Amino acid sequence: GQQLNQSPQSMFIQEGEDVSMNCTSSSIFNTWLWYKQDPGEGPVLLIALYKAGELTSNGRLTAQFGITRKDSFLNISASIPSDVGIYFCAGQLRGGATNKLIFGTGTLLAVQP
Amino acid sequence: GAVVSQHPSRVICKSGTSVKIECRSLDFQATTMFWYRQFPKQSLMLMATSNEGSKATYEQGVEKDKFLINHASLTLSTLTVTSAHPEDSSFYICSAGEGSKETQYFGPGTRLLVL
Repeated sequence: GQQLNQSPQSMFIQEGEDVSMNCTSSSIFNTWLWYKQDPGEGPVLLIALYKAGELTSNGRLTAQFGITRKDSFLNISASIPSDVGIYFCAGQLRGGATNKLIFGTGTLLAVQP
Repeated sequence: GAVVSQHPSRVICKSGTSVKIECRSLDFQATTMFWYRQFPKQSLMLMATSNEGSKATYEQGVEKDKFLINHASLTLSTLTVTSAHPEDSSFYICSAGEGSKETQYFGPGTRLLVL
């Protein structure tokens, strides 16, 4: 199935550092979503973006919907150990026959105390 | 709000048996639910879209006769893995679309191990 290109694949950082990851697609979407998945759990929604150019924050997390509608980035400021997990972007094309999500390949984040 | 549950959380079964997994939206109604499969160290792959009151839409390569989906109400969808084989062992996750924007919220997943 189709997947979005997400980078970096993994990151190993020190507590307190800022983190940035991005997602690109060859197709346009009208919604971008960022999820975090802990081992053995389902993904948890972090931020939803519904408009090109939109910049949205959720605590220490900030995400932007690219102007071209083909990309998005997620920033985490002042990382803490509980930020450890796998982060997935997902693009959604709402309003058509289906609202299905296309997922990115994931970014594994490890935070050393 | 926007809580989705799954049952069971894990199941072990013998090869050839069928397994049913339930997905419920607890505090909202979902016209559309989705079923994903995730193999270790991989991303989520959509298997099918479950529409309340109508037939599910399956992704290419997913056998509809093997993975039976029923969406009988606005809060419940079920996935039945029929005649399960070891290669069906995986992490199955459902999601439900909430609100006018159909934002997808995920269940906690079901770990299936077929012996």
